[in-house]
Amino acid sequence: IAGITQAPTSQILAAGRRMTLRCTQDMRHNAMYWYRQDLGLGLRLIHYSNTAGTTGKGEVPDGYSVSRANTDDFPLTLASAVPSQTSVYFCASSDSVNEQFFGPGTRLTVL
Amino acid sequence: AQSVAQPEDQVNVAEGNPLTVKCTYSVSGNPYLFWYVQYPNRGLQFLLKYITGDNLVKGSYGFEAEFNKSQTSFHLKKPSALVSDSALYFCAVATYKYIFGTGTRLKVLA
Repeated sequence: IAGITQAPTSQILAAGRRMTLRCTQDMRHNAMYWYRQDLGLGLRLIHYSNTAGTTGKGEVPDGYSVSRANTDDFPLTLASAVPSQTSVYFCASSDSVNEQFFGPGTRLTVL
Repeated sequence: AQSVAQPEDQVNVAEGNPLTVKCTYSVSGNPYLFWYVQYPNRGLQFLLKYITGDNLVKGSYGFEAEFNKSQTSFHLKKPSALVSDSALYFCAVATYKYIFGTGTRLKVLA
């Protein structure tokens, strides 16, 4: 692994289903982030984690949960997907308040 | 409240001409300022940052940005645009948290 990876690349999901988006980094960064990107709205922060074992809510946390059991992994879970969660999801990591490194994104469609 | 604004949704420039993508911010304290670029179907890539020191910051791919404290701006510039510079550009400001602008689409015309 080099950098930050996300899986799956894309997914079509029925409304009401549970889904976990995976994110892994190998840079030993303390901080990790989940964003969603929607046309005309830029990037909006969903959840973040400043260090392993801690998480915090971002701008649009409702309907999403995260965990940070170790430094490398930061999965994002949609407990019961709704069509408004159709978006492109980006995971990122950084070393404190510094430049962020982004994954390639997951394109999620909820029908 | 902390905020960042990119007043132009799209900027068009002819290849070879200089380009400017605007960013203004509002924060208390001394911010860290960043520019990122996003190519189609890709994640954001870091271009450059200002933390302290010289107001003119040089970054990747020939881009530079000028920090202007009095105007609270951090405009992205390049002396001679390339068609391959066409992409979505995001400004970001960070103090205790990170905030991204809504992005500016740059179109360089051949």
